[in-house]
Amino acid sequence: DTAVSQTPKYLVTQMGNDKSIKCEQNLGHDTMYWYKQDSKKFLKIMFSYNNKELIINETVPNRFSPKSPDKAHLNLHINSLELGDSAVYFCASSPSSFSGNNEQFFGPGTRLTVL
Amino acid sequence: AQSVTQPDIHITVSEGASLELRCNYSYGATPYLFWYVQSPGQGLQLLLKYFSGDTLVQGIKGFEAEFKRSQSSFNLRKPSVHWSDAAEYFCAVDQGGGNKLTFGTGTQLKVEL
Repeated sequence: DTAVSQTPKYLVTQMGNDKSIKCEQNLGHDTMYWYKQDSKKFLKIMFSYNNKELIINETVPNRFSPKSPDKAHLNLHINSLELGDSAVYFCASSPSSFSGNNEQFFGPGTRLTVL
Repeated sequence: AQSVTQPDIHITVSEGASLELRCNYSYGATPYLFWYVQSPGQGLQLLLKYFSGDTLVQGIKGFEAEFKRSQSSFNLRKPSVHWSDAAEYFCAVDQGGGNKLTFGTGTQLKVEL
């Protein structure tokens, strides 16, 4: 039983294309996140949604648009892909966003390569 | 703004040896502190966390960490390392209330057999 799943696992595409990454959690959590891990393994939060509402929106280009159709899903759409978007993108979820003592459960990651 | 420093980028230890991975944070109040492990090609798995109370916390896989307020540190330890512990280790801090994790740059652990 996969708790947090992401598709696809690998994504190779050309510059300028538009692509989406999907995330689903079956933990019944209220809050979901997207993180970007660069080539130096540095992890940085991009977005957080609580029960379908955006609550964290870091300084991310507006080519990145998250969408949460329901609280179990948080998708990431990226327009006009650039070389610098190449990274591993992790989805995560936690029971709530309003208490800092919540463990975040991470998905396996999506490795995006922009050529 | 909160920040997390992991001074050691790479650490190599022999199997069976003890391990300590360093983590220092910068935040005014007591933060929520976490250690995650990332195996190659995998997502992150929580090893342990500190919120309050006993400053020595036990985690999974035989790991423990000690919160030292005076040193703003939350070092991860294991008395005897196994080859399967080879991975990337991340310290993270949440200043509380928002579940916004700030990660350190990670320490890559190699285990020599």
